[in-house]
Amino acid sequence: SQTIHQWPATLVQPVGSPLSLECTVEGTSNPNLYWYRQAAGRGLQLLFYSVGIGQISSEVPQNLSASRPQDRQFILSSKKLLLSDSGFYLCAWSVSGTSYEQYFGPGTRLTVT
Amino acid sequence: GQSLEQPSEVTAVEGTIVQINCTYQTSGFYGLSWYQQHDGGAPTFLSYNGLDGLEETGRFSSFLSRSDSYGYLLLQELQMKDSASYFCALMDSNYQLIWGAGTKLIIKP
Repeated sequence: SQTIHQWPATLVQPVGSPLSLECTVEGTSNPNLYWYRQAAGRGLQLLFYSVGIGQISSEVPQNLSASRPQDRQFILSSKKLLLSDSGFYLCAWSVSGTSYEQYFGPGTRLTVT
Repeated sequence: GQSLEQPSEVTAVEGTIVQINCTYQTSGFYGLSWYQQHDGGAPTFLSYNGLDGLEETGRFSSFLSRSDSYGYLLLQELQMKDSASYFCALMDSNYQLIWGAGTKLIIKP
């Protein structure tokens, strides 16, 4: 069966510090991968998605970047965090062609102070 | 652009039926998904309507009417564990999900 791992679960970082969040998927090959951010009480905002190694699409201009160095690994990064980067970050995967059905990792709650 | 509207909160009684509505504005889309999210947790997939009509999965059903730009999620035989937020999400022409703001379902005994 497929499993998605995401870490860390919580993170408190000062403004201006770097960020690296990692997500890995097990039990499937060539998945579509997604990074979302969710503000409290709101829906999910798609940040990045990837259909293959090295292929990253960005949905909104922001202080973040993403990379996919391996088929089942997706990394979200920032060189310098802003207060507005605080939120609940979720990684998800789907089978190629069925993006309506996504499977989410447990999420990382990031607080920038 | 695209937008989805859901009620922010719905209250229902355990053992009864509740309907959560979703209206949308879009220039084109492939279908409508529904997800459940418990407090502090991650969303989990419930249902997808690629065509108009009703899709049934156990106690949950979802409906889509493209002519009315409207869909709903129907939860039957409500249980306390169904207390959660429910999101509708459009699969747009780029095969990406555009999410509504979510409906918090409160269930009373």
